Amino acid sequence: GAGVSQSPRYKVAKRGQDVALRCDPISGHVSLFWYQQALGQGPEFLTYFQNEAQLDKSGLPSDRFFAERPEGSVSTLKIQRTQQEDSAVYLCASSRLTAGVNTGELFFGEGSRLTVL
Amino acid sequence: DAKTTQPNSMESNEEEPVHLPCNHSTISGTDYIHWYRQLPSQGPEYVIHGLTSNVNNRMASLAIAEDRKSSTLILHRATLRDAAVYYCILRSIYGQNFVFGPGTRLSVLP
Repeated sequence: GAGVSQSPRYKVAKRGQDVALRCDPISGHVSLFWYQQALGQGPEFLTYFQNEAQLDKSGLPSDRFFAERPEGSVSTLKIQRTQQEDSAVYLCASSRLTAGVNTGELFFGEGSRLTVL
Repeated sequence: DAKTTQPNSMESNEEEPVHLPCNHSTISGTDYIHWYRQLPSQGPEYVIHGLTSNVNNRMASLAIAEDRKSSTLILHRATLRDAAVYYCILRSIYGQNFVFGPGTRLSVLP
């Protein structure tokens, strides 16, 4: 399929463990977003990339969270020293257009569900 | 980002029309109105968006009030597959982020 692909779909981590979540956006999409969704809540913005540049990381909850998109395509969200409150679904979305130019439709992946024990 | 207000939940009968309201009294002239929906265990999916005029697509219609302070997403004939959380979002053409609220959980009864 040509959609946004995220892996792993499910991850169980012990408290204090580091995790890495991967996002493969739709080919050619310039914009990439990461969101965090707690159970029963709407998605909360974490960070935004335009190509390889991380233009907004204001939503990252702490310095344990780090995201990168080194070649402007695949992105990785890394969480260091995981805590129980990090348990959530992490959603990746991509868009063909750059933000600020138009209201480009966001295409979301199915998410990576992280459970921290 | 300007805020939106939606009912927490709504119910509809299958094959009947559904009108999902959204209030956005602080909308600015550069804010587009977007609707996304999220089916269980899936990421959100785009439904429709508009600026001032009413919009129709194969999924739904978007009716925007003349003063733009409210809008309504219309599903013409609800199916069981339309049971989801519907999010109304304002996004400026100058902004980058989509700010999701809690949305409206739509239940469709057979």
